Amino acid sequence: EAQVTQNPRYLITVTGKKLTVTCSQNMNHEYMSWYRQDPGLGLRQIYYSMNVEVTDKGDVPEGYKVSRKEKRNFPLILESPSPNQTSLYFCASSWDRTGYEQYFGPGTRLTVT
Amino acid sequence: ILNVEQSPQSLHVQEGDSTNFTCSFPSSNFYALHWYRWETAKSPEALFVMTLNGDEKKKGRISATLNTKEGYSYLYIKGSQPEDSATYLCAYNSGGSNYKLTFGKGTLLTVNP
Repeated sequence: EAQVTQNPRYLITVTGKKLTVTCSQNMNHEYMSWYRQDPGLGLRQIYYSMNVEVTDKGDVPEGYKVSRKEKRNFPLILESPSPNQTSLYFCASSWDRTGYEQYFGPGTRLTVT
Repeated sequence: ILNVEQSPQSLHVQEGDSTNFTCSFPSSNFYALHWYRWETAKSPEALFVMTLNGDEKKKGRISATLNTKEGYSYLYIKGSQPEDSATYLCAYNSGGSNYKLTFGKGTLLTVNP
């Protein structure tokens, strides 16, 4: 089944404790992306990747890191999480840049206390 | 950050009504316009990706049009059903060296039986 998976689905953590949210897709997509969703602000792009070893900032990259060592995986790293990073996070993938539909993962609900 | 506006913010209709919403985006540069349907507690799912001025796309009772010269897209739902209740998101990419996808805040549609 073609899908985007994210783990964990829910996470409660404390300020400053490094965490990684994994994202994997099995569709051989080149373009992958991370979004955060906050009430009243909609989906905002954090980082995206055009292909292996090619990543770039979205609109809200501060406090996040990403890597793309393999085509299927695109982890999101929070080196020192802060309460303002409490949010719902989505990973998405598509065939190529933005001319193709994005497939979204199930979402990760992160709470930083 | 590019401005993508959706109106109305929310909409209540009766079952059987037809309805439409608007997505406005910068008309100066254009590469692609996406529409997604997002049900509560689920992930966004793609409805349409449109890339050409004048594009019209249809999926069942839902259709969309695109005007890149004036910077807007309409989403139409004919004969709304309660299962159409969801948030409808549009997303825009300006092309060129910009590979970011910018989402609007969505239109929340509630269809009353």
